[in-house]
Amino acid sequence: EAQVTQNPRYLITVTGKKLTVTCSQNMNHEYMSWYRQDPGLGLRQIYYSMNVEVTDKGDVPEGYKVSRKEKRNFPLILESPSPNQTSLYFCASSLSRGPGANVLTFGAGSRLTVL
Amino acid sequence: GDSVTQMEGPVTLSEEAFLTINCTYTATGYPSLFWYVQYPGEGLQLLLKATKADDKGSNKGFEATYRKETTSFHLEKGSVQVSDSAVYFCALRNGAGSYQLTFGKGTKLSVIP
Repeated sequence: EAQVTQNPRYLITVTGKKLTVTCSQNMNHEYMSWYRQDPGLGLRQIYYSMNVEVTDKGDVPEGYKVSRKEKRNFPLILESPSPNQTSLYFCASSLSRGPGANVLTFGAGSRLTVL
Repeated sequence: GDSVTQMEGPVTLSEEAFLTINCTYTATGYPSLFWYVQYPGEGLQLLLKATKADDKGSNKGFEATYRKETTSFHLEKGSVQVSDSAVYFCALRNGAGSYQLTFGKGTKLSVIP
């Protein structure tokens, strides 16, 4: 089944404790992206990647890091989480050209709480 | 910059009622327009799209027409069901060479029996 898999789905952590949210897709998509969803603010893009070793900042990159060493994986790293990073996070992927470009496939979401 | 404005929610309708969720956009050039839907506890999924002016996207009984003159892409359904309860997001991609989507804030729809 074509899908984007995120882990963990739920996480409660404390301020300053480094964590990584993994994202993996099995559709050979070039484009991958991370979003956070907050009440009243909709989806805001954190980082995106056009292909392996190519990443760029989205609208709200502060406090986050990403890497794209393999085409299928795009982990989101919070080096020193803070309470304002409490949110629902989504990973998404798509082809980068043709009719499938921007038809994003989303993961099920990762709910992160930072105490 | 580009922006998408959706009607404020939440919207509560009775089953079989007519649905309209308004979406307007600001963008230079000729964007492609999308509606995504998020069912409870799930990620977003594409509902429909339109890539040029006057195109109509449709899926699962939902329709939206790309109106360049009014910069709008309103979502409509003639008869909603309880299973349509979800959050609906309007989005745009601006121009060739851009892979970035700009999302609206979402409109929560609740359909009651």
